[in-house]
Amino acid sequence: ETGVTQTPRHLVMGMTNKKSLKCEQHLGHNAMYWYKQSAKKPLELMFVYSLEERVENNSVPSRFSPECPNSSHLFLHLHTLQPEDSALYLCASSPNRAGRARDEQFFGPGTRLTVL
Amino acid sequence: AQKVTQAQTEISVVEKEDVTLDCVYETRDTTYYLFWYKQPPSGELVFLIRRNSFDEQNEISGRYSWNFQKSTSSFNFTITASQVVDSAVYFCALSEDGGYQKVTFGIGTKLQVIP
Repeated sequence: ETGVTQTPRHLVMGMTNKKSLKCEQHLGHNAMYWYKQSAKKPLELMFVYSLEERVENNSVPSRFSPECPNSSHLFLHLHTLQPEDSALYLCASSPNRAGRARDEQFFGPGTRLTVL
Repeated sequence: AQKVTQAQTEISVVEKEDVTLDCVYETRDTTYYLFWYKQPPSGELVFLIRRNSFDEQNEISGRYSWNFQKSTSSFNFTITASQVVDSAVYFCALSEDGGYQKVTFGIGTKLQVIP
């Protein structure tokens, strides 16, 4: 595997379910990000991890719970979601600690989430 | 506060036509970086180019070129002789230093190249 991978690629869940999204980066990067991409809206930054420490929680509802057990893996735990949470969830990584403005980010293909 | 505006939400061109994607940004910082990313139908955003605020030289990479003008706060992207494989959503982004890398993305421009 190369780059940034995300599983599952598609997920349909009910409002009472609990599920998790997984992201893995094979690039040796030190920072990882979760974004939400909804139709007709800019990408919304949800969480930032730098060297496994959360450095930003961008006013995200508590029904989204991130976890970063090591610098290569990032999870997004989901519970009691709402239909408006349906979106493409993108994971990204960047080489250095999360304060380097010049770093490009490397994205995974995303998980298409549908909440019924 | 930083802001990125991509006024063109969708563009359709016929193959081999040239097309320019507009990007206008707002920031109070003097040091910042501008990016373009491409999102093909497969979903992942792919990095295309980075420009820092002190480098206004235009750049050309094959059929792609970028025009950075600080005077108008614009960072436009031109594809010459477009091809069907260029069909994608293109995002302009602005990055400022903060406690973490604060990246603001535009809404994206969906480009459809018709054979």
